[in-house]
Amino acid sequence: EDQVTQSPEALRLQEGESSSLNCSYTVSGLRGLFWYRQDPGKGPEFLFTLYSAGEEKEKERLKATLTKKESFLHITAPKPEDSATYLCAVQENTGTASKLTFGTGTRLQVTL
Amino acid sequence: GAVVSQHPSRVICKSGTSVKIECRSLDFQATTMFWYRQFPKQSLMLMATSNEGSKATYEQGVEKDKFLINHASLTLSTLTVTSAHPEDSSFYICSARARENYGYTFGSGTRLTVV
Repeated sequence: EDQVTQSPEALRLQEGESSSLNCSYTVSGLRGLFWYRQDPGKGPEFLFTLYSAGEEKEKERLKATLTKKESFLHITAPKPEDSATYLCAVQENTGTASKLTFGTGTRLQVTL
Repeated sequence: GAVVSQHPSRVICKSGTSVKIECRSLDFQATTMFWYRQFPKQSLMLMATSNEGSKATYEQGVEKDKFLINHASLTLSTLTVTSAHPEDSSFYICSARARENYGYTFGSGTRLTVV
């Protein structure tokens, strides 16, 4: 069974203080690893999809990287508007409906 | 970009009644739709997967007679919570995908409170 573990559960940063969020996964065959941002009371908002080890993707202050066992979401010089829960999900490489298995998320708070 | 609309955003119902939640793909045809439930400070738990015109596939432990899913068209799926009880109170989120190897787009969620 797929397992996705995110750490830390919660992270408080000061504006401008860079950090990384971790997503460790166990899957028999990875089709894709997804990062989403979720604001309170809202659905997840797509950030990145990574497909193979060594792949990196960037968007504004966010950069996602992937290895064979984990993914990191690096946040450079965060701003208060980056405060949200960041979710990681894996899609297994099987012939089934390709569902996503989510981690429990990292709640990020960025203060002035 | 792909947009998924989910309604209502909030609903309060009395125990024993049924409530329907709609999920629409606005600018693409969704061959597959997914329904999730999320409890406070917990992750999204997949409830069921539905393909247009087919019966939904439910995850283990999800009562298919309680959570009725209909995916009658390529742009609309509905989740009906039947005979709702307070323990069904949760945040329900739908997701839609056009086809294999396409991204998953999520709705904005529905906060269900059963009193």
